[in-house]
Amino acid sequence: GNSVTQMEGPVTLSEEAFLTINCTYTATGYPSLFWYVQYPGEGLQLLLKATKADDKGSNKGFEATYRKETTSFHLEKGSVQVSDSAVYFCALSTGGGNKLTFGTGTQLKVEL
Amino acid sequence: GAVVSQHPSRVICKSGTSVKIECRSLDFQATTMFWYRQFPKKSLMLMATSNEGSKATYEQGVEKDKFLINHASLTLSTLTVTSAHPEDSSFYICSAATSGRIDEQYFGPGTRLTVT
Repeated sequence: GNSVTQMEGPVTLSEEAFLTINCTYTATGYPSLFWYVQYPGEGLQLLLKATKADDKGSNKGFEATYRKETTSFHLEKGSVQVSDSAVYFCALSTGGGNKLTFGTGTQLKVEL
Repeated sequence: GAVVSQHPSRVICKSGTSVKIECRSLDFQATTMFWYRQFPKKSLMLMATSNEGSKATYEQGVEKDKFLINHASLTLSTLTVTSAHPEDSSFYICSAATSGRIDEQYFGPGTRLTVT
């Protein structure tokens, strides 16, 4: 079956630090990969996605590259801000439809 | 962007009672709504998928008689936890979609259910 593994948090960084949140997956077929972000008190929002190997998704300074050889989709940002503090979920989908398989989420705390 | 609300945000109920959670799409019509459950430090687990006007499709292992889902209109779906027990305590999240595109699925902020 499908599964997603994320690094455990919380991750605490100083403002302007470099961010990496690791995500690896196992899937049948060729999955599409997603990062969702959940700000306090709000619902999950799609941050970025990649639908095939070597694709790079990017949004709001965040990037993630679909690495088929390592079955990974690590989230990176060069310089985090306090406003990036949130919970980040890696997810995948296979075979069309709307079913998502999520990781456990990683809480990011950015301090001044 | 599209907004999905959930009500209540938190609820405490006694064991043996039933509790209803509402999920509303505020500014769009949702042909499909999804209900997820999240345990502490665990992934979101899809419980069921519902299409407006038809019966929900439950994931394997989810008791359909315990978790009643109704999607009576294009803007409202409800999840009723019947005869709740402490093990039903969890964070319940809904999402709504207007199309078959997975990146057009919008999530509610979740409901924290505590059964005492």
